[in-house]
Amino acid sequence: EAGVVQSPRYKIIEKKQPVAFWCNPISGHNTLYWYLQNLGQGPELLIRYENEEAVDDSQLPKDRFSAERLKGVDSTLKIQPAELGDSAVYLCASSLPGYGEQFFGPGTRLTVL
Amino acid sequence: GENVEQHPSTLSVQEGDSAVIKCTYSDSASNYFPWYKQELGKGPQLIIDIRSNVGEKKDQRIAVTLNKTAKHFSLHITETQPEDSAVYFCAASIGTGANNLFFGTGTRLTVIP
Repeated sequence: EAGVVQSPRYKIIEKKQPVAFWCNPISGHNTLYWYLQNLGQGPELLIRYENEEAVDDSQLPKDRFSAERLKGVDSTLKIQPAELGDSAVYLCASSLPGYGEQFFGPGTRLTVL
Repeated sequence: GENVEQHPSTLSVQEGDSAVIKCTYSDSASNYFPWYKQELGKGPQLIIDIRSNVGEKKDQRIAVTLNKTAKHFSLHITETQPEDSAVYFCAASIGTGANNLFFGTGTRLTVIP
């Protein structure tokens, strides 16, 4: 069974530029999460989807971050404009409905110059 | 929200020795406690989890204990091997469904051959 797929794996941009990350969850997992992981820290939740509905986006900086999961499968996380402090790893995870076990993708490492 | 503290931040052991990582949590409503292993350049991988109705769980060389009264849980790795070297994260979640995980700050385990 394929795991959570993320792309790109690495992205280097200049500040003020836009950037987008893509995630394809494990088949059948209707819950999808985006986490931010700063260097030397644990992941922190940005947004959680149940199917196509964002059920918790309280930690998403909405002035510059946006996310979508239009058909309840793939998801895209966007930053516009990027700031130096956005340099981090962005992780996507998915889980089955009503069950806590989350499976993580490899992450996208973003570097903002 | 939930606050998870993890100790130690780094741990070095000789191959074959045991390693213990400890975490505390703040919210008594938390009832799901997974442990993740993260290798360099990869996403976190679930290695074991425990729910609040169980005090201990074991899977080969890995065991987790939970003390709900004291609000702490621990990861025990016996007969450590060099491939156990990685960063380990504890996490806590409220509820039995797919909910947000609150992660500790991680422990970098080094197993010395």
